[in-house]
Amino acid sequence: AQSVTQLDSQVPVFEEAPVELRCNYSSSVSVYLFWYVQYPNQGLQLLLKYLSGSTLVESINGFEAEFNKSQTSFHLRKPSVHISDTAEYFCAVSHTGGFKTIFGAGTRLFVKA
Amino acid sequence: DAGVTQSPTHLIKTRGQQVTLRCSPKSGHDTVSWYQQALGQGPQFIFQYYEEEERQRGNFPDRFSGHQFPNYSSELNVNALLLGDSALYLCASSSFSTNEKLFFGSGTQLSVL
Repeated sequence: AQSVTQLDSQVPVFEEAPVELRCNYSSSVSVYLFWYVQYPNQGLQLLLKYLSGSTLVESINGFEAEFNKSQTSFHLRKPSVHISDTAEYFCAVSHTGGFKTIFGAGTRLFVKA
Repeated sequence: DAGVTQSPTHLIKTRGQQVTLRCSPKSGHDTVSWYQQALGQGPQFIFQYYEEEERQRGNFPDRFSGHQFPNYSSELNVNALLLGDSALYLCASSSFSTNEKLFFGSGTQLSVL
């Protein structure tokens, strides 16, 4: 069975500081890995994904995540955060063929001025 | 191109009642997944529909049932509502063959009194 563990429930950080949101997964098969973001009172939006190929994936708004197979991790990083990055971030895992996507419990990123 | 649409946006019911939530997937998608997101938690997988059949199911009781129509839209039905069923119910659509990412609706906020 697949599972996702997000190691931090809340991460407070000052604006323009770097941030890392940690995610570990378990699976007996090859996986797809995702980070989704949820702003208040909204559904989830895909932030970035790893399907295959380069282990470092980037989003259009400066986030990046690195797939580490040996450590079964997919941590999310941003070198300099903005107030607008305040949101809930969810790590998720699935694989091809319509298999269900499993989500972690979420990490609330709170960016302070 | 409309994304995933859900109705209604908010719903208030009392214990023991029954509720039906509706979802229209993104154009071109053939798979609908339903998630329950309790306050402060990650989305929990309820079930997935493809080709009008329930393909996978999470750890939810039989009170939760669904349906998918020939136009790929879907309904989630919950019978004998409990207080603990109060949550945000999210619908997500995808392509069964690739499963590269989920597109989420904004959800239906269900309150059971």
